[in-house]
Amino acid sequence: DTGVSQDPRHKITKRGQNVTFRCDPISEHNRLYWYRQTLGQGPEFLTYFQNEAQLEKSRLLSDRFSAERPKGSFSTLEIQRTEQGDSAMYLCASSLAVEGYTFGSGTRLTVV
Amino acid sequence: KNEVEQSPQNLTAQEGEFITINCSYSVGISALHWLQQHPGGGIVSLFMLSSGKKKHGRLIATINIQEKHSSLHITASHPRDSAVYICAVPSMDSNYQLIWGAGTKLIIKP
Repeated sequence: DTGVSQDPRHKITKRGQNVTFRCDPISEHNRLYWYRQTLGQGPEFLTYFQNEAQLEKSRLLSDRFSAERPKGSFSTLEIQRTEQGDSAMYLCASSLAVEGYTFGSGTRLTVV
Repeated sequence: KNEVEQSPQNLTAQEGEFITINCSYSVGISALHWLQQHPGGGIVSLFMLSSGKKKHGRLIATINIQEKHSSLHITASHPRDSAVYICAVPSMDSNYQLIWGAGTKLIIKP
């Protein structure tokens, strides 16, 4: 296990299209987080899973955003009807407890 | 709400210099994170500490719980240390969220 993997690394999409990102956490980590980071800003929390349960969801996550972690392992983040304001780096992290975050390299989304 | 302040915002130094980055927070915490982000890259967790001091290679992190202050030190700095360094603390509103400092952009010149 080499850490948290995110796929794809980069995604360019046209406005209005749907996109889906995948995150594979460290296998023994039961906690998984999605963050979004725009240029020059710190990461903003989007959502949190403990095993397969989505326990917290930010108000930043509009109805166009949905995240799943169906078997408590990998997670997907889908954005429907993308807008230019969705352009950002989407970061996934996992941990075994509240400490010890491990981040993935992120998926950079560009909406044109 | 926990507020996190980092200083300096930007720091440029020559290779070999001793670097200090500071982080202050407003509300008592259980742990503080130091993270590193290279330009265009993902985030690497450097330290999670709740008391005292931790050392990893040329990096040292200290925390003073009473003063609500933490520092990240880099000894014998090298150009590859150039990155944004971020401190983060648990949110008071959530067990799961981190509140992030604005980051310190460090440039080490050869």
